[in-house]
Amino acid sequence: DVKVTQSSRYLVKRTGEKVFLECVQDMDHENMFWYRQDPGLGLRLIYFSYDVKMKEKGDIPEGYSVSREKKERFSLILESASTNQTSMYLCASSLLSPGMLKTQYFGPGTRLLVL
Amino acid sequence: QQPVQSPQAVILREGEDAVINCSSSKALYSVHWYRQKHGEAPVFLMILLKGGEQKGHEKISASFNEKKQQSSLYLTASQLSYSGTYFCGTDRIRGGGADGLTFGKGTHLIIQP
Repeated sequence: DVKVTQSSRYLVKRTGEKVFLECVQDMDHENMFWYRQDPGLGLRLIYFSYDVKMKEKGDIPEGYSVSREKKERFSLILESASTNQTSMYLCASSLLSPGMLKTQYFGPGTRLLVL
Repeated sequence: QQPVQSPQAVILREGEDAVINCSSSKALYSVHWYRQKHGEAPVFLMILLKGGEQKGHEKISASFNEKKQQSSLYLTASQLSYSGTYFCGTDRIRGGGADGLTFGKGTHLIIQP
């Protein structure tokens, strides 16, 4: 079974703090994604990465950055946390190879509260 | 362009059937369906590809109408375990979900005994 793990289930931070959310997958997937989930809005893509050291902006990248130093690990960084970044953050991974189904497997999520 | 899901919520008795629709304003290559239970990660149900056949798993199946740019999820003889929020995800830019998915807002399904 594919396993995607996230470093924290719950996190409380103060406005202005730098926040790191970590995600690790164990299936050698090329693609990794960060989404945020808010009530009534569904899941929205923040950033994704299709290879080590590569990153692409998603639909709502403002206020976030990412890092992918190793294939299995993808980090989401909030440079200066703000209250409007209080949300559930979900990491996902998938294969990228042509012809393969790009099923996304999600981690359990990190619920971040910014005070 | 976020796909539109309908209905937003539905309450059923155990054993009843449900249909959840997902409509897009743009041409689609693939539609991905997920179910999420409260406090848990979304769990993959199935992918439908353009030109592919209707897919199914036990009593949950789905169809993909390319002309209407719409997919429908069918839950037959619903069980208590089917309760949760169902999301459809469609291609952002490249087909198949390689550059992520655009998800609908979700359909809340409550199954009562």
